[in-house]
Amino acid sequence: ELKVEQNPLFLSMQEGKNYTIYCNYSTTSDRLYWYRQDPGKSLESLFVLLSNGAVKQEGRLMASLDTKARLSTLHITAAVHDLSATYFCAVEQYAGTYKYIFGTGTRLKVLA
Amino acid sequence: DTGVSQDPRHKITKRGQNVTFRCDPISEHNRLYWYRQTLGQGPEFLTYFQNEAQLEKSRLLSNRFSAERPKGSFSTLEIQRTEQGDSAMYLCASSGLRKTGNTIYFGEGSWLTVV
Repeated sequence: ELKVEQNPLFLSMQEGKNYTIYCNYSTTSDRLYWYRQDPGKSLESLFVLLSNGAVKQEGRLMASLDTKARLSTLHITAAVHDLSATYFCAVEQYAGTYKYIFGTGTRLKVLA
Repeated sequence: DTGVSQDPRHKITKRGQNVTFRCDPISEHNRLYWYRQTLGQGPEFLTYFQNEAQLEKSRLLSNRFSAERPKGSFSTLEIQRTEQGDSAMYLCASSGLRKTGNTIYFGEGSWLTVV
């Protein structure tokens, strides 16, 4: 059974600082997704990583995928308050049907 | 707005009552998913449709839960004889366009509170 773990679960950081969120998963997969969720809201797609070595960047966020290590990272550069949210990674599993297994999320709070 | 709509957005019901949620996916998407999310947790997979066929159901989905997708368009999720443990946000998502790959797009969710 595919398991997806994120760490840290909670992250409080000062504006302007850099930090990395980690997503580890237990079985082989070539596709990984990152989502953002604001309190009381649904999930917003951030990045789609489709192969080993994939790197995507949008603004202050950069995501990468290492399928051999079964690891994805979400790097935050020079954090701003607007990035405060919960971030989820989701691993695609295909066994006849497509299924997406989510991590437990990283709750990020950026302090002014 | 992702284009996936859910109704109702909030529902408060008494224990033992039945509730039904509706999801209208992005029109060209052939795949539709239902997830459940409780506070502080990630979304948990419940069930998956490809067109009108329900291809997979989670072990989490007890026999009080049933989902349908008639004609491969909108979907409904019904919970019978609700229990307090059913209180959660029920998320619908869809995918399936070639240009967006397998990215799943979520609706705003339907919050269920069982009192």
